[in-house]
Amino acid sequence: KQEVTQIPAALSVPEGENLVLNCSFTDSAIYNLQWFRQDPGKGLTSLLLIQSSQREQTSGRLNASLDKSSGRSTLYIAASQPGDSATYLCAVRQYRGGSEKLVFGKGTKLTVNP
Amino acid sequence: GAGVSQSPSNKVTEKGKDVELRCDPISGHTALYWYRQRLGQGLEFLIYFQGNSAPDKSGLPSDRFSAERTGESVSTLTIQRTQQEDSAVYLCASSETSGSSYGYEQYFGPGTRLTVT
Repeated sequence: KQEVTQIPAALSVPEGENLVLNCSFTDSAIYNLQWFRQDPGKGLTSLLLIQSSQREQTSGRLNASLDKSSGRSTLYIAASQPGDSATYLCAVRQYRGGSEKLVFGKGTKLTVNP
Repeated sequence: GAGVSQSPSNKVTEKGKDVELRCDPISGHTALYWYRQRLGQGLEFLIYFQGNSAPDKSGLPSDRFSAERTGESVSTLTIQRTQQEDSAVYLCASSETSGSSYGYEQYFGPGTRLTVT
């Protein structure tokens, strides 16, 4: 059974710092890995999607890496801003037996202090 | 280019009542998913629809939960005889297709917050 773990569970940093969020998964048979942002009382916003054949994806100040063989992904946020405060979720996409789903970690709650 | 929409946004119901939650996927998306997020917990997969294929119901927590989808359109998630542990945010997502080695993004709706009193 796939399990996704995110470390740390919570992180508080001053504005301007670079930071790294970690995600690990137990079953490397994935098709892709997706990082999401969730704001309180709102749905999920997709940030980056990395296909299993890719090593990293970049969007603005965000960079996500994937090491499928070791079951790890990181989300790097450069020059953090208070507006980056949110919960960041990592999810892996599995496809088995004609069905598929995303398996989520419990998230990292990020607070960026002005 | 509307995104995934869900209704209602909030629902408060008494224990034992039935509730129906609605999801409108992005037009043209063949795959539709329901997830649940209970307070302090991660998202749990509930059910997956792909076109006209039989849905994957493996994530439904009990037989009080059911979902329907007609073709590639609207889906409804029904919870019968609601219990307090059903209180959660129910999220719907859709994607262009699935079942291939190329992974398409899942786009999520804003969710329905269900509170069972």
